[in-house]
Amino acid sequence: NAGVTQTPKFQVLKTGQSMTLQCAQDMNHNSMYWYRQDPGMGLRLIYYSASEGTTDKGEVPNGYNVSRLNKREFSLRLESAAPSQTSVYFCASAPPGNQPQHFGDGTRLSIL
Amino acid sequence: GENVEQHPSTLSVQEGDSAVIKCTYSDSASNYFPWYKQELGKGPQLIIDIRSNVGEKKDQRIAVTLNKTAKHFSLHITETQPEDSAVYFCAASPYTGTASKLTFGTGTRLQVTL
Repeated sequence: NAGVTQTPKFQVLKTGQSMTLQCAQDMNHNSMYWYRQDPGMGLRLIYYSASEGTTDKGEVPNGYNVSRLNKREFSLRLESAAPSQTSVYFCASAPPGNQPQHFGDGTRLSIL
Repeated sequence: GENVEQHPSTLSVQEGDSAVIKCTYSDSASNYFPWYKQELGKGPQLIIDIRSNVGEKKDQRIAVTLNKTAKHFSLHITETQPEDSAVYFCAASPYTGTASKLTFGTGTRLQVTL
């Protein structure tokens, strides 16, 4: 049982390049989330999708777009990468309501 | 929006001692409080959670307490072991009916020394 799978695990981009981070879950969860983790700042919510076909902004959505492709997959896109977007990105999924979120192992993204 | 503060940022204890991590939250609408453990190079893993209708919850060596009036909650780890060394995050979420919007604390790096 894979849980939440994120690809790629590592990526280096140049400023201005675009990139899509992929996330897939096999737990039949309704809700999916994207977070970024920066040193000393914990995890911050970028976007979330409460169910297939819906997406909503979190705390730090600027510079990002998301697509809930189907119930399993939720992607995060950087249209024009900036050095400030260097971070570790985590995807999570959960059943409806206030339920435990299950995290992937992250994508480590560096933007030069 | 919600603001979660977490203390201490680092904590070093000897094996067998207890460790306590404290968090405060600002939004009285928050009613779900999970704790996550993150090991190096991995994603956070839920270790215990508590809801606002409960004051305390225990799972073997781990316990969480919640004081709604004071808006703070704490993680207690007893009989610490070297494998407890990790970064621990508290979080809070209001009731949304659909998805939980977690606000995380800034983390506590726990080191258990022999």
